Amino acid sequence: NAGVTQTPKFQVLKTGQSMTLQCAQDMNHNSMYWYRQDPGMGLRLIYYSASEGTTDKGEVPNGYNVSRLNKREFSLRLESAAPSQTSVYFCASSEIAGGGYNEQFFGPGTRLTVL
Amino acid sequence: AQKITQTQPGMFVQEKEAVTLDCTYDTSDPSYGLFWYKQPSSGEMIFLIYQGSYDQQNATEGRYSLNFQKARKSANLVISASQLGDSAMYFCAMREGGYKPGYSTLTFGKGTMLLVSP
Repeated sequence: NAGVTQTPKFQVLKTGQSMTLQCAQDMNHNSMYWYRQDPGMGLRLIYYSASEGTTDKGEVPNGYNVSRLNKREFSLRLESAAPSQTSVYFCASSEIAGGGYNEQFFGPGTRLTVL
Repeated sequence: AQKITQTQPGMFVQEKEAVTLDCTYDTSDPSYGLFWYKQPSSGEMIFLIYQGSYDQQNATEGRYSLNFQKARKSANLVISASQLGDSAMYFCAMREGGYKPGYSTLTFGKGTMLLVSP
């Protein structure tokens, strides 16, 4: 089992360019999440998908869109990248939406730099 | 108000000693869960320990234990017998909302950097 995989690992963009970050999980989890991590800020939720077919905004959704392609895959799109989106992006998944012990499993992260 | 507060930006401890990393939380929801994650310099997020708001006993996982004081809204991580490999960033996180669909999201604190010296 690979767990949660993310591509690419590193990316450099110019301001205004677009790109899609890919995430896939092989644990048959229902819920998937996208976070960004900035120095001194911890992890902040961008978007999440509680189950296949649903997506919801998190704390910092502006400038991003998501697609829950199927149960395994959850992509994050930057339509017009800005320097403020320079960050490390983590995808995560968990078994169920809500309730009890519900550990989130994280991917290795994508380090994105926007020039 | 911040939902998760980690007041120690950095902590130092000597190998084999115990260390406590502080975490306080703010919620009005009676059903919630508290998590601790470790992030070594390699960048991955590693789950350490979980405490549910209705759990009667403090959670323990090997050398990790969670000192859960519900009335004080604190969930401190205790690492016993520190090892050099414990040097990392540690994040406290909270899930609110019990069994409501969509309420599985986590709110993270800003983290505490732990350095273990020989």
